[in-house]
Amino acid sequence: EAGVTQSPTHLIKTRGQQATLRCSPISGHTSVYWYQQALGLGLQFLLWYDEGEERNRGNFPPRFSGRQFPNYSSELNVNALELEDSALYLCASSLRRGAEAFFGQGTRLTVV
Amino acid sequence: QKEVEQNSGPLSVPEGAIASLNCTYSDRGSQSFFWYRQYSGKSPELIMSIYSNGDKEDGRFTAQLNKASQYVSLLIRDSQPSDSATYLCAVNPGYRGSSNTGKLIFGQGTTLQVKP
Repeated sequence: EAGVTQSPTHLIKTRGQQATLRCSPISGHTSVYWYQQALGLGLQFLLWYDEGEERNRGNFPPRFSGRQFPNYSSELNVNALELEDSALYLCASSLRRGAEAFFGQGTRLTVV
Repeated sequence: QKEVEQNSGPLSVPEGAIASLNCTYSDRGSQSFFWYRQYSGKSPELIMSIYSNGDKEDGRFTAQLNKASQYVSLLIRDSQPSDSATYLCAVNPGYRGSSNTGKLIFGQGTTLQVKP
């Protein structure tokens, strides 16, 4: 069974540009979570989608947004990129809210 | 007070010893507790989940939960150099009103070094 897949693996953008990151959950999983992990820091909760809707949001500015599609895949958009947005962005999925969450391999975003 | 606290370490143990990793959480209503292992530059890998008070064993790993003390721990028996990684404690705060907050709150992680 395929795990959580994220694309692209690496992404280099210029300050002020927009980045789009994609995530496909494990088959049958309806909850998708996004986390940011800056170098040497812990995982910071960004967004939670469940059954197609945004259910919870972390302490990030509105330029971080996303959506979940009918097939439960998800997209994270970061507008007006800043240098400090450079981080590993991790997507995780779970079978239901509060259950075990499994991570993808991450997207390494570098803003120059 | 941080929602989930871990000692950042590093915790250094000799090969074959027991490594003990600890985590405390602030939300008394928390329902689900998880331990993840993260190798440098990689994504977190789920190694244990625990939902009720007591011990849960899986191979060389034992998770212990004490909700009264708001404390969860992970024991690694017969530690191997390949266990050297950062161990993340994650807590799901559970239901607030009629909806689950749904997010996993992570501690900063404890770095474990197993020396041959």
